[in-house]
Amino acid sequence: KAGVTQTPRYLIKTRGQQVTLSCSPISGHRSVSWYQQTPGQGLQFLFEYFSETQRNKGNFPGRFSGRQFSNSRSEMNVSTLELGDSALYLCASSLFASGANEQFFGPGTRLTVL
Amino acid sequence: AQTVTQSQPEMSVQEAETVTLSCTYDTSESDYYLFWYKQPPSRQMILVIRQEAYKQQNATENRFSVNFQKAAKSFSLKISDSQLGDAAMYFCAYRSAGSNTDKLIFGTGTRLQVFP
Repeated sequence: KAGVTQTPRYLIKTRGQQVTLSCSPISGHRSVSWYQQTPGQGLQFLFEYFSETQRNKGNFPGRFSGRQFSNSRSEMNVSTLELGDSALYLCASSLFASGANEQFFGPGTRLTVL
Repeated sequence: AQTVTQSQPEMSVQEAETVTLSCTYDTSESDYYLFWYKQPPSRQMILVIRQEAYKQQNATENRFSVNFQKAAKSFSLKISDSQLGDAAMYFCAYRSAGSNTDKLIFGTGTRLQVFP
C-alpha cells in the first residue's frame, strides 16, 4: 500500500506570492491533518479534514486555508506569502479521526520564501 | 489548553546502551493519548509507540518502552540496546480522546545521537 504522498517536495517562492501544496492520503484514509514545522516554533497544527469537512483549525492567520476533495486528497493554500512562512509542511492521514488510530505522515513539502 | 514539554534538546548514547528521553505534559482532561514519534534526517515522521491514558500498563514495542506516570503527567521513552538507526529527532505528542480529532500537540523534540 502506498504511503502518504506530498507534492511538490520542494518549493521556492517570493514574498507576496501564493502557493498550493497537495497531500494524497493512504488509500482508504478519510482524515487528513496538516502541520507546519519550523526551527523556532516546532510542529504546529494547521487544520484537519474528515470527509471533506474541516473539523479543526489551528491558530494561523486567514492566509492559510485548505480543503479536502471527495477522494480524500487535500490541498492547503497560503496566500500573500511572508518570509516567516518558510517551513516544512507535513501532512498526515488516518482511517478516521478518533481513538488511538495511527496517523501516517508524508515526507513533507519544504517551502522557502525569498 | 494542553501543552507538551521536552526539556532535553539533545541526548547522546553509545550503541547497545540504554537511553531515556523525558516528556511532561499538562492537561485538565482525564482521557487522552500520548505518542512518541521519530523523525530521522530523511524527515519522514513515524510512530514509535503510543499509550492510552486509561491504561495503567506501560506500552512496549520491542526495544522501546515508556514510563507513564499519569498523576505526575510524565511520559518518558526508554530505548534499550540503542542502534545507529535510532539516531533521529524524537517528538512527544498529545491527543485528546474526548472528541473526534486527530490533532496532535507536539513537544519541541529531542535530538538523539548514537555513537558507535
